[in-house]
Amino acid sequence: EDQVTQSPEALRLQEGESSSLNCSYTVSGLRGLFWYRQDPGKGPEFLFTLYSAGEEKEKERLKATLTKKESFLHITAPKPEDSATYLCAVHGSSNTGKLIFGQGTTLQVKP
Amino acid sequence: NAGVMQNPRHLVRRRGQEARLRCSPMKGHSHVYWYRQLPEEGLKFMVYLQKENIIDESGMPKERFSAEFPKEGPSILRIQQVVRGDSAAYFCASSPGSSGYNEQFFGPGTRLTVL
Repeated sequence: EDQVTQSPEALRLQEGESSSLNCSYTVSGLRGLFWYRQDPGKGPEFLFTLYSAGEEKEKERLKATLTKKESFLHITAPKPEDSATYLCAVHGSSNTGKLIFGQGTTLQVKP
Repeated sequence: NAGVMQNPRHLVRRRGQEARLRCSPMKGHSHVYWYRQLPEEGLKFMVYLQKENIIDESGMPKERFSAEFPKEGPSILRIQQVVRGDSAAYFCASSPGSSGYNEQFFGPGTRLTVL
């Protein structure tokens, strides 16, 4: 059964303090690993898709990387507006297109 | 290009009533997915539809829940005889293709409260 585990559950950073969020996954035949950002009371906002080990993608202060067992979301010099819950999801070959989500990491960046 | 639209944004029902949630996918997208987010839980897949077809309903409760995506109009998630445990945020997502390699874009959600 496909599974996704994110850690830590919650992370508090000072503005400018870089860190990484982890997403460990078990999937039969990875078709894609997705990162989303979710603000309170809103729907998930798409950030990145990674398809194969070794792939990296960047957007502003965020960089996502992928290995065969996990993905990292690196946040460089975060700002308070980066505060949100970050969700990781996988699409495996054993299913039709549904995404399996982790529980998320809630990030709080203090000024 | 308008994003995924969902309405209503908030819905209050009494136990035993019916809830109808609507989702209009992004322009050019023909694949719709419904997810549920219970309080303090992650997003859980419910159903995947294409126009006039249910492709995967493995996450749908066996009773009271149904979904459709007609040839014309929005996708509808219907919950009959709601119970308190149905209170949750329901999100719709859409994608352009069927391969599953496509990103899914989410709507703002419908927050259902059952009294």
